[in-house]
Amino acid sequence: QLQLQESGPGLVKPSETLSLTCTVSGDSISSNNHYWAWIRQPPGSGLEWIGIVYYSGSTSYNPSLKSRVTISVDTSKNQFSLRLTSVTAADTAFYYCARLNLLERQFDPWGQGTLVTVSS
Amino acid sequence: EIVLTQSPGTLSLSPGERATLSCRASQSLSTRHLAWYQQKPGQAPRLLIFGASSRATGIPDRFSGSGSGTDFTLTISRLEPEDFAVYYCQQYGSAPLTFGGGAKVEIK
Repeated sequence: QLQLQESGPGLVKPSETLSLTCTVSGDSISSNNHYWAWIRQPPGSGLEWIGIVYYSGSTSYNPSLKSRVTISVDTSKNQFSLRLTSVTAADTAFYYCARLNLLERQFDPWGQGTLVTVSS
Repeated sequence: EIVLTQSPGTLSLSPGERATLSCRASQSLSTRHLAWYQQKPGQAPRLLIFGASSRATGIPDRFSGSGSGTDFTLTISRLEPEDFAVYYCQQYGSAPLTFGGGAKVEIK
């Protein structure tokens, strides 16, 4: 059964870089039929798509975050990662990783999510 | 960017009643690329419907999706206690991928 698990620091200082990793188990990240995605959700708010990566390394990002985001993939570890630079309190959120189907473009499954707080 | 507007923002119903949630797109989009999710407190979202009307694996048949063009609907035929949650629509027929603002189904 495919599972995704986010990991990384739960607290990041303002102006620093947020780094998270998603470990995929139960399936190969080198799938022709899927992208791998990051989505975030500020506490009490809605969902915001951050970006996606294909196993080849090609990416697509939300224009609102594009200047600060890098998503990369490590097929040898079956992991993909998120880097968000110059964070502020507005970046405080639950961060989810998920698999995106290439054809119908739906997210399934999702990781359990991890709360990242930006504070000094 | 395609904006998805969900209505109503909150729906107050009793178990056994029918819930009808709307998702309106600012531009016409392919039914193939419209999905619905359910999110309960403290949990990640869960896929309910993809391709506007196809139920995801393990989703009960009281959940159904319909619509085309700019108007899409999620219907829960008879609310069970576990269905009280927040529901989101999502599209990726056109970049960037966007979510609706969410609709809460609460117990009346």
